[in-house]
Amino acid sequence: AQKVTQAQTEISVVEKEDVTLDCVYETRDTTYYLFWYKQPPSGELVFLIRRNSFDEQNEISGRYSWNFQKSTSSFNFTITASQVVDSAVYFCALHYNQGGKLIFGQGTELSVKP
Amino acid sequence: GAVVSQHPSWVICKSGTSVKIECRSLDFQATTMFWYRQFPKQSLMLMATSNEGSKATYEQGVEKDKFLINHASLTLSTLTVTSAHPEDSSFYICSARVGSGTRLPGANVLTFGAGSRLTVL
Repeated sequence: AQKVTQAQTEISVVEKEDVTLDCVYETRDTTYYLFWYKQPPSGELVFLIRRNSFDEQNEISGRYSWNFQKSTSSFNFTITASQVVDSAVYFCALHYNQGGKLIFGQGTELSVKP
Repeated sequence: GAVVSQHPSWVICKSGTSVKIECRSLDFQATTMFWYRQFPKQSLMLMATSNEGSKATYEQGVEKDKFLINHASLTLSTLTVTSAHPEDSSFYICSARVGSGTRLPGANVLTFGAGSRLTVL
């Protein structure tokens, strides 16, 4: 079965703290993609990153970094020096097989307080 | 970049009426679009896959007669909620995949519309 689990429902941090959002996935496919999306209060989904199953290299983009580990089926997302504007719901998602379907995790609501 | 436009962004209707939501790919062609539904504080659940020129493929548990999908062109898919009831109130989001053959940034990445918030009274 294909499944994405984001165990952290809500996280609250103070500005400038680092925060890691966890994502664990399940799939039988050997070829798949993992995504992170940000959903601010406006509701629009903002694409953050896509990683394919053959590329385990960690990635850094500004204050954002991602740690992909196939051995533990995890694709965690870290925000360094968090800011109030980072407050949003973050979704991890799995794309497998053909067709473009995305399976979303339950989402983690991040609240960054000043 | 690839842009998906959704309209209307919000709609309020009376119970029993039908509501149509449009999803347009503005600068690319999308043979396949996807419709998701999101209830408050919940995740996005795929409702159906919309295929240009053919019937949509619905996920298990989604009533195809209630949620009519029409993908009449390479840039437009519509979702019609027929005989809407309060329990259909939700946030509906469409997405389209930018094909690998295009030079647009984000090829093969799903681009989402801004969503349509439906409230049925």
